[in-house]
Amino acid sequence: EVQLQQSGAELGKPGTSVKLSCKVSGYNIRNTYMHWVNQRPGKGLEWIGRIDPANGNTIYAEKFKSKATLTADTSSNTAYMQLSQLKSDDTAIYFCAMNHWFAYWGQGTLVTVSS
Amino acid sequence: DVVLTQTPPTLSATIGQSVSISCRSSQSLLHSNGNTYLHWLLQRPGQSPQLLIYLVSRLESGVPNRFSGSGSGTDFTLKISGVEAEDLGVYYCVQGTHAPWTFGGGTKLELK
Repeated sequence: EVQLQQSGAELGKPGTSVKLSCKVSGYNIRNTYMHWVNQRPGKGLEWIGRIDPANGNTIYAEKFKSKATLTADTSSNTAYMQLSQLKSDDTAIYFCAMNHWFAYWGQGTLVTVSS
Repeated sequence: DVVLTQTPPTLSATIGQSVSISCRSSQSLLHSNGNTYLHWLLQRPGQSPQLLIYLVSRLESGVPNRFSGSGSGTDFTLKISGVEAEDLGVYYCVQGTHAPWTFGGGTKLELK
């Protein structure tokens, strides 16, 4: 059974960074893409970017190019997303999702930005 | 970027009613490799999204066959043949033909 286990909720101060993790079990992440998606309170889904863990290649949505950094550790089968220069409008649930058509999702990590 | 426009934004249905959701793309989603990377997700309240349909019309394993997808090019439809209570939530289309991937705005299915 494929499972994506995301790290716990984060409380970050404005201007700081947080690093979220997404550990995959039941499938080798070298063989797929890992996507990151956010959902602001009461809003829809927004694609942030994706990484190909086999070679580290990344693609980002334009608005997240200076906000998010995607990495992956194939030895631990884990994907990561660092969010930098946090602002209040970065407050959201962040999901990781796996494969070309988002077949598997993590449970989401709530990031709250507040001083 | 590709813009996906979903209609209607809200859909009220009774149990057993058949409903359809439209997803229109600002560009053709036919990839040069012959695939069309248009997929449908359902997000129930308080849950992560789940995949229902991938590549326009392929039913994800474990998804009831009352769900079906159709369409080509720029126009796509998700149909639910006989709504059940567990189908309530927000439906999203998502495309992966053209980077960056983009989601539709969502269609909320609620009980009438």
